Amino acid sequence: AQSVTQLDSHVSVSEGTPVLLRCNYSSSYSPSLFWYVQHPNKGLQLLLKYTSAATLVKGINGFEAEFKKSETSFHLTKPSAHMSDAAEYFCVVSDSNTGKLIFGQGTTLQVKP
Amino acid sequence: NAGVTQTPKFQVLKTGQSMTLQCAQDMNHEYMSWYRQDPGMGLRLIHYSVGAGITDQGEVPNGYNVSRSTTEDFPLRLLSAAPSQTSVYFCASSYASLAFFGQGTRLTVV
Repeated sequence: AQSVTQLDSHVSVSEGTPVLLRCNYSSSYSPSLFWYVQHPNKGLQLLLKYTSAATLVKGINGFEAEFKKSETSFHLTKPSAHMSDAAEYFCVVSDSNTGKLIFGQGTTLQVKP
Repeated sequence: NAGVTQTPKFQVLKTGQSMTLQCAQDMNHEYMSWYRQDPGMGLRLIHYSVGAGITDQGEVPNGYNVSRSTTEDFPLRLLSAAPSQTSVYFCASSYASLAFFGQGTRLTVV
């Protein structure tokens, strides 16, 4: 069975400092992995996806994530946080047989001025 | 091209009432799904469909029914609303594991 664990429920950074949101996955085969962002009272927006091509994936708004099979991790990073990055972030793994998406519990990112 | 359209955006129900949340997509995707979002629990899969006429249960199906008579539409029915069904509901349409989400329906059951 596939699963996703987001290691931090809440992360707080100062504007202009790096962001690290941690995600570990469990999968019996090569997974498809995603990061989605949800701003307050909004829907979900795809930040980036990994589908077994390059292990370093670049997404929108300066975010990127690195797939590390040996560590079963897919952490999301950004070099410099902006106030507009404050939102909830979800790490997601896709079951390639059924198309089901399995969500992590979410990480709330707070950006302080 | 509207993507995934959910209606209504907000709804208040009394315990025991029934209602249908509508979801429509115009991308001709075979796979559609319904999720509920509750604080600290991420999104949990309620029901999904891999094509017209085919539906299956997800992680939290109790109290909900679905049908898929066309590729475009995938309504979610609450048969007898309960306060535990107060949540935000998202419909998604997928192709090649890439999901597109509707804007959500915020449902309150009193």
